[in-house]
Amino acid sequence: EAGVAQSPRYKIIEKRQSVAFWCNPISGHATLYWYQQILGQGPKLLIQFQNNGVVDDSQLPKDRFSAERLKGVDSTLKIQPAKLEDSAVYLCASSLRFRGELFFGEGSRLTVL
Amino acid sequence: AQSVTQLGSHVSVSEGALVLLRCNYSSSVPPYLFWYVQYPNQGLQLLLKYTTGATLVKGINGFEAEFKKSETSFHLTKPSAHMSDAAEYFCAVSSYTGANSKLTFGKGITLSVRP
Repeated sequence: EAGVAQSPRYKIIEKRQSVAFWCNPISGHATLYWYQQILGQGPKLLIQFQNNGVVDDSQLPKDRFSAERLKGVDSTLKIQPAKLEDSAVYLCASSLRFRGELFFGEGSRLTVL
Repeated sequence: AQSVTQLGSHVSVSEGALVLLRCNYSSSVPPYLFWYVQYPNQGLQLLLKYTTGATLVKGINGFEAEFKKSETSFHLTKPSAHMSDAAEYFCAVSSYTGANSKLTFGKGITLSVRP
């Protein structure tokens, strides 16, 4: 069974530029999560989707971050404009059902200069 | 609100020694508790979880954890460390309310294993 796929694995941008990350969850998984992991900290939930609807985006900085999950499958996380403090690993996770085990992708590492 | 405290950022043990990684949680409702492991440049992998029932939970790679409600703790142990256990370990708590299944992580502990 293929795992959660993320791309790109690494991205370096200048501040005020934009960036987008893509996530393909495990086939059939209804719930999808985006987490931000800053160096030295645990992952922090940015947004949770159930199918293509948003369940929780309370910690998503909506002035610069946006996310969508079209057709309840793939998801894209966008940052525009990026700030230095956005440097982090962005982890995507999916679960088969609500309260199910989370399966994580390898993450997308963002460096903002 | 829910939170996780993992005291210390780094633990070093000798190969063959006991591994003990501490985790304390705070939750306003009965919690689900998890331990995840993260190897360099990889995603998080579930080691074990406590939902309900037996308070001693066994996971992969010889790890286990015990849920102690009175101490609000969920410490991770392994009787004998192996070099391959060197990684970062995260404790997490989830309190399911309605449609929200948010997982809150601690800041993680790096485990080093000395030959």
